[in-house]
Amino acid sequence: EVQLVESGGGLVQPGRSLRLSCAASGFIFDDYAMHWVRQAPGKGLEWVSGIDWNGGSIGYADSVKGRFTISRDNAKNSLYLQMNSLRAEDTALYYCAKDRLYNWNNVVSDYWGQGTLVTVSS
Amino acid sequence: QSALTQPASVSGSPGQSITISCTGTSSDVRGYNSVSWYQQHPGKAPKLMIYDVSYRPSGISNRFFGSKSGYTASLTISGLQAEDEADYYCSSYTSSSDVVFGGGTKLTVL
Repeated sequence: EVQLVESGGGLVQPGRSLRLSCAASGFIFDDYAMHWVRQAPGKGLEWVSGIDWNGGSIGYADSVKGRFTISRDNAKNSLYLQMNSLRAEDTALYYCAKDRLYNWNNVVSDYWGQGTLVTVSS
Repeated sequence: QSALTQPASVSGSPGQSITISCTGTSSDVRGYNSVSWYQQHPGKAPKLMIYDVSYRPSGISNRFFGSKSGYTASLTISGLQAEDEADYYCSSYTSSSDVVFGGGTKLTVL
């Protein structure tokens, strides 16, 4: 059974940093691309970032480019999102999602975690 | 990148069919066959219902049908059931090498 478990969320002040993690199990992690997708309270889904199976290709939404960094450790079956210079508008539930294929620009998220909440506020 | 355009809400009675539209531009929906549809129940994670415009993942009912014509992709749900009541989102890859979602459509089963 595919499982994705996010962690690392919390309350953080504007301008500070936070690192999210996603622990994956139930599938061959280094066969698939991965994504981070967020959802602000009461709002719709917003794609944040995607990474290929080996980290060789990465994409970011314009809203986070230059501030967020996605990475993965295939030996640990883990996905990460380093979030710097956080803003109030980054407040959201952050989902980790597995892609159907090895390349992130396939952009088909077939399994999702339950999310970790990030609140940016002073 | 602007969000894809979806109706805010649609409704139908049990057994009926409904269609949710998702309108984009030549830089996303029209330019790529990478449209996906997700179902999200309140307080739950999204669930993939359709990918690559019209393909259903294993385990998804054939009551869900995806299509595309020009700038608009559509999700049709036939034989509406109470459990279909949820929010639905479309998404597409874009020429800016990122991903855009629709604003979401709330489906109410009357």
